[in-house]
Amino acid sequence: KNQVEQSPQSLIILEGKNCTLQCNYTVSPFSNLRWYKQDTGRGPVSLTIMTFSENTKSNGRYTATLDADTKQSSLHITASQLSDSASYICVVSPYGGATNKLIFGTGTLLAVQP
Amino acid sequence: GAVVSQHPSWVICKSGTSVKIECRSLDFQATTMFWYRQFPKQSLMLMATSNEGSKATYEQGVEKDKFLINHASLTLSTLTVTSAHPEDSSFYICSASWGQGWYEQFFGPGTRLTVL
Repeated sequence: KNQVEQSPQSLIILEGKNCTLQCNYTVSPFSNLRWYKQDTGRGPVSLTIMTFSENTKSNGRYTATLDADTKQSSLHITASQLSDSASYICVVSPYGGATNKLIFGTGTLLAVQP
Repeated sequence: GAVVSQHPSWVICKSGTSVKIECRSLDFQATTMFWYRQFPKQSLMLMATSNEGSKATYEQGVEKDKFLINHASLTLSTLTVTSAHPEDSSFYICSASWGQGWYEQFFGPGTRLTVL
């Protein structure tokens, strides 16, 4: 069964600190993996998209890594800011199929405190 | 670029009424639009996929007669919740894409529906 699991479910860090969010998936065959940031009451915003051949991709203070062999990904946030408080969702896109539905993780809720 | 808007951003209605939610791609032509529903503290759940000019494909368990989807143009899709009931209260999010496959999906800001 195609699944995406994220850990931790929630995380509290102090402003300026770094943190790493984890994502494990069982989706196969695999096309690409995406990280989204979703502010409360808003739609998700794309942070990174990686295909199976990419190991790392950065977007400002966000750096995503991918290990397609172990089916694991991480999202590292550097020098956190209060505005980073949000839910971070790992999404995997299966390969092939007519609709290519996205498989969503349940998200990690990050709270950055001053 | 790649902006998707939704209207309204929130709506409150009485049980039994119908509500229409619009999803627009503002600066690109979206051949495919997706409708999701999200309950509190849960992830997005795909309701249906619609391609411009054709009937929507609904996910298993989603009543197509209750959730009417119209993708009449390359920039507009609508979701109508017919005879809404309190259990339909949720956060509805659309996304738009240039196509299927691994194309990026751009999400709208969501619509909060509360049925009294």
